[in-house]
Amino acid sequence: DIQMTQSPASLSASLGETVTIECRASEDIYNGLAWYQQKPGKSPQLLIYNANSLHTGVPSRFSGSGSGTQYSLKINSLQSEDVASYFCQQYYDYPFTFGSGTKLEIK
Amino acid sequence: EVQILETGGGLVKPGGSLRLSCATSGFNFNDYFMNWVRQAPGKGLEWVAQIRNKNYNYATYYAESLEGRVTISRDDSKSSVYLQVSSLRAEDTAIYYCTRCVVFAYWGQGTLVTVSS
Repeated sequence: DIQMTQSPASLSASLGETVTIECRASEDIYNGLAWYQQKPGKSPQLLIYNANSLHTGVPSRFSGSGSGTQYSLKINSLQSEDVASYFCQQYYDYPFTFGSGTKLEIK
Repeated sequence: EVQILETGGGLVKPGGSLRLSCATSGFNFNDYFMNWVRQAPGKGLEWVAQIRNKNYNYATYYAESLEGRVTISRDDSKSSVYLQVSSLRAEDTAIYYCTRCVVFAYWGQGTLVTVSS
């Protein structure tokens, strides 16, 4: 199985700041990576797919990058509504696997 | 509008079985692979199973941790997908979500399965 190592586990930042969340795959996943946002009590929502493609309706302050085994999600100009948990997921190979998540809070 | 509705969760005793259902609308169900993903309380997301469409002979894939205890199936005439889970354990307690495709752009609200005596 492909292991997804996500960091940090939690993050506290101020409004307007830029934050970055990382995901490392145990092998090359050839950009088969998605990022999801999950707010408390809600279902996850897709933010990014194919490592760097913004899903429809997602604000442009979210961006994804990376290749090979290293990927990142960047949130520019942090807003209060960005308080959530974020998960990466590889879909390059079965079984699909998720990172352990990053809980983002406002400082 | 894509809609996904999971049902069938509830309280089950250890060793019991459960069949979860996922009814969909708003898209051509026959064209899509369908998945189940679960989330234990306060924990992360875990992909459970996928069933491909007719073009791929309804091939199925499972998480190794659950293989042998779960069966995913679909009924294209009802635009629905199902998950049969047997020999339930406390660690199967989770919200079970139904999702579409390999990139999960659409999720239901989930159905809670609680395994407890």
